[in-house]
Amino acid sequence: AQSVTQLDSHVSVSEGTPVLLRCNYSSSYSPSLFWYVQHPNKGLQLLLKYTSAATLVKGINGFEAEFKKSETSFHLTKPSAHMSDAAEYFCVVINTGGFKTIFGAGTRLFVKA
Amino acid sequence: NAGVTQTPKFQVLKTGQSMTLQCAQDMNHEYMSWYRQDPGMGLRLIHYSVGAGITDQGEVPNGYNVSRSTTEDFPLRLLSAAPSQTSVYFCASSYSQLSTDTQYFGPGTRLTVL
Repeated sequence: AQSVTQLDSHVSVSEGTPVLLRCNYSSSYSPSLFWYVQHPNKGLQLLLKYTSAATLVKGINGFEAEFKKSETSFHLTKPSAHMSDAAEYFCVVINTGGFKTIFGAGTRLFVKA
Repeated sequence: NAGVTQTPKFQVLKTGQSMTLQCAQDMNHEYMSWYRQDPGMGLRLIHYSVGAGITDQGEVPNGYNVSRSTTEDFPLRLLSAAPSQTSVYFCASSYSQLSTDTQYFGPGTRLTVL
């Protein structure tokens, strides 16, 4: 069975400080992993994805994530938060064995001035 | 390219009414899907389609019906609306059903059932 756990429902940072959003997954097969961002009252936008190539994945707007198989983690980071990063972030896993998409519950990021 | 479009943006229904949520994409994507988003639960898959004429159930299909007569359109029908179907509904599409393909999401439909 596959599952996704986002370890924090809310994260609050000050502008200019690092961002860490944590995601653990479980999967019976080699998974593809994604991070999506959702700004208020908007649809979801892809930030980055891991598809079994490089384990460190760079995305848009300065975000990156590292796939760690031994820890079954895919944490999202950004060196310096910007006010425009305030949004909800979703970690997503899809098994290569079948197209079943599982979303995490989401982490809401607050950025203080 | 309009991408993935959804109509309506907002809808209020009374219990027992039926309606259809529209979804269209102009990217010639084979794979389309419907999700519902509820607070604290992320997005859950309702139904999906891997091509015209082929649909299948996702995680929470009860109370919903879909069909796919063209590559572009994938409507979601609520047969008899219930308050438990109050949610935000997202349609998504991707080039294929490969796990590596990026899904593109529509802007969502906010549905309230009274």
